[in-house]
Amino acid sequence: NAGVTQTPKFQVLKTGQSMTLQCAQDMNHNSMYWYRQDPGMGLRLIYYSASEGTTDKGEVPNGYNVSRLNKREFSLRLESAAPSQTSVYFCASSEFPLGYTNTGELFFGEGSRLTVL
Amino acid sequence: TQLLEQSPQFLSIQEGENLTVYCNSSSVFSSLQWYRQEPGEGPVLLVTVVTGGEVKKLKRLTFQFGDARKDSSLHITAAQPGDTGLYLCAGAGTNDYKLSFGAGTTVTVRA
Repeated sequence: NAGVTQTPKFQVLKTGQSMTLQCAQDMNHNSMYWYRQDPGMGLRLIYYSASEGTTDKGEVPNGYNVSRLNKREFSLRLESAAPSQTSVYFCASSEFPLGYTNTGELFFGEGSRLTVL
Repeated sequence: TQLLEQSPQFLSIQEGENLTVYCNSSSVFSSLQWYRQEPGEGPVLLVTVVTGGEVKKLKRLTFQFGDARKDSSLHITAAQPGDTGLYLCAGAGTNDYKLSFGAGTTVTVRA
């Protein structure tokens, strides 16, 4: 079972470069999310898509854009990378939007480790 | 964003010992989840607790949700090296059910 697949797993960028992180899920989930994980700060929500065709900002959206390409795929784009965006990025999915139920489970990918020099 | 504080930040114990990890907040949550994350992987859900005072057991792991639904604890009995990982708590708000994550507790169980 693939679950949630993220690419690439590792990336090094120079300040000002752009890149897109790809995410795909094969569980027919309605909702998808992008988080970043930094030491001592836990997981912070960047953007989410409650259903195909919708996207919304999370806690830390500045410097990022997203596209819900179809029900399976949700991409995260850094237009002009900054050292502060060095982090581990996780894509996640859930059957229903987390705001719809308080018992929803998030399924995470393995993460994409991004370093911005 | 509702703040969840986890303690301790790091915990290193010998195989066979018991341990407890705490998750505290000044906010009330409609539910509390615990995830475990192993190095190089994403978090995986262990349990969801919904009712104040609820206790759930998962083999050697015992999870408790505080009566006031502001805090939770995770107790591991007779820890094994396979329990090593980052334990994250996540609370769902009472109004919008959006999840807020704690910073995590890194548990290392030495053989």
